[in-house]
Amino acid sequence: AQKVTQAQTEISVVEKEDVTLDCVYETRDTTYYLFWYKQPPSGELVFLIRRNSFDEQNEISGRYSWNFQKSTSSFNFTITASQVVDSAVYFCALLLIQGAQKLVFGQGTRLTINP
Amino acid sequence: KAGVTQTPRYLIKTRGQQVTLSCSPISGHRSVSWYQQTPGQGLQFLFEYFSETQRNKGNFPGRFSGRQFSNSRSEMNVSTLELGDSALYLCASSRGTSGYNEQFFGPGTRLTVL
Repeated sequence: AQKVTQAQTEISVVEKEDVTLDCVYETRDTTYYLFWYKQPPSGELVFLIRRNSFDEQNEISGRYSWNFQKSTSSFNFTITASQVVDSAVYFCALLLIQGAQKLVFGQGTRLTINP
Repeated sequence: KAGVTQTPRYLIKTRGQQVTLSCSPISGHRSVSWYQQTPGQGLQFLFEYFSETQRNKGNFPGRFSGRQFSNSRSEMNVSTLELGDSALYLCASSRGTSGYNEQFFGPGTRLTVL
């Protein structure tokens, strides 16, 4: 079975602090993709990053960075120098290539950045 | 290139009624997937349609159904609405071919059942 766990339900930090959102996944497949999405209050899912199971290279995009570790089945997301506009719900998701191409989402982490 | 559109954006129904939601995928995309988002259950896969055929189905009761038209537009229907069906319904479109396919999400339809 496939599963994604985001243990942090809510995180609240003060602006300019760094914050890390944790994501742990379970799958027996060797080929899969991992994603992070941002969901602002409007509801639309905004794609942030995609990683395939064969690429463990960490990625940095501006203030955002992602740490993918297959050994611990984790795909963590760090926001450096957080801003109020980063406040949203963040979802980690798993997509298998074989069989049903459906996204399996974690429960989401509600991030609040306080001024 | 136009994105995924969903109509209506908001809907209020009463228990026992039925509802139809619509999703127009990105031009050229043949796969449409539907997801339900509730505070309790999170984001859950409902079903996927590809070339007018349901290709995958999540674990939802038969009251939830869908279809896809020849132009790839998809509708989902919920009959005999229950309070627990109140949710944000998201659709995603992709090319649907083998291998990896980027999924693009629409803005969602927020359904409230009274």
